[in-house]
Amino acid sequence: ETGVTQSPTHLIKTRGQQVTLRCSSQSGHNTVSWYQQALGQGPQFIFQYYREEENGRGNFPPRFSGLQFPNYSSELNVNALELDDSALYLCASSLGRQGSYSYEQYFGPGTRLTVT
Amino acid sequence: AQTVTQSQPEMSVQEAETVTLSCTYDTSESDYYLFWYKQPPSRQMILVIRQEAYKQQNATENRFSVNFQKAAKSFSLKISDSQLGDAAMYFCAYRRRWGNEKLTFGTGTRLTIIP
Repeated sequence: ETGVTQSPTHLIKTRGQQVTLRCSSQSGHNTVSWYQQALGQGPQFIFQYYREEENGRGNFPPRFSGLQFPNYSSELNVNALELDDSALYLCASSLGRQGSYSYEQYFGPGTRLTVT
Repeated sequence: AQTVTQSQPEMSVQEAETVTLSCTYDTSESDYYLFWYKQPPSRQMILVIRQEAYKQQNATENRFSVNFQKAAKSFSLKISDSQLGDAAMYFCAYRRRWGNEKLTFGTGTRLTIIP
């Protein structure tokens, strides 16, 4: 069983450009969440996808968008990059919920995005 | 809105000793989960321990245990017999039991283990 994987590991972009980050969920996981972690801070929730539908969004502008595919892998797209978008982007997957029990999220190693 | 506060930016402990990391949170919900995650220099966030708010018993996982005080909205992590591999950033996180799985994190505590 493979864990959560993310690509690329590192990325350098110029202000105003667009970027796509990718995440492969752990096998069998149908829920994916994305987080932004600025240097020295805790992760901030961007949004979550459950079975290809957005299922909650944090306080991020519309230029942050996402997709979840039928195999439950996911993409995070950021348009019109700003310097403040420089951060570690973490993806987490889980089995979601079964009845009243909610499963844990398992994190990938992250993508380090630098905007210059 | 829920908030999570970790008031100790850095902590250090002698190898084999015990250390306690503090966390407080604010919520109007009565049913929720609390977590401690560990983030080593490799960056991957690893779940250390989980506590359900509806359970009065404090969670334990081997050398890791929590002191959950619901009325005080306090959730501390105790690491016993500290090992060099425990060195990392530790984040406390909150999640509502119902609804989406959004985790709200604190700002973290950097734990150093002194050999």
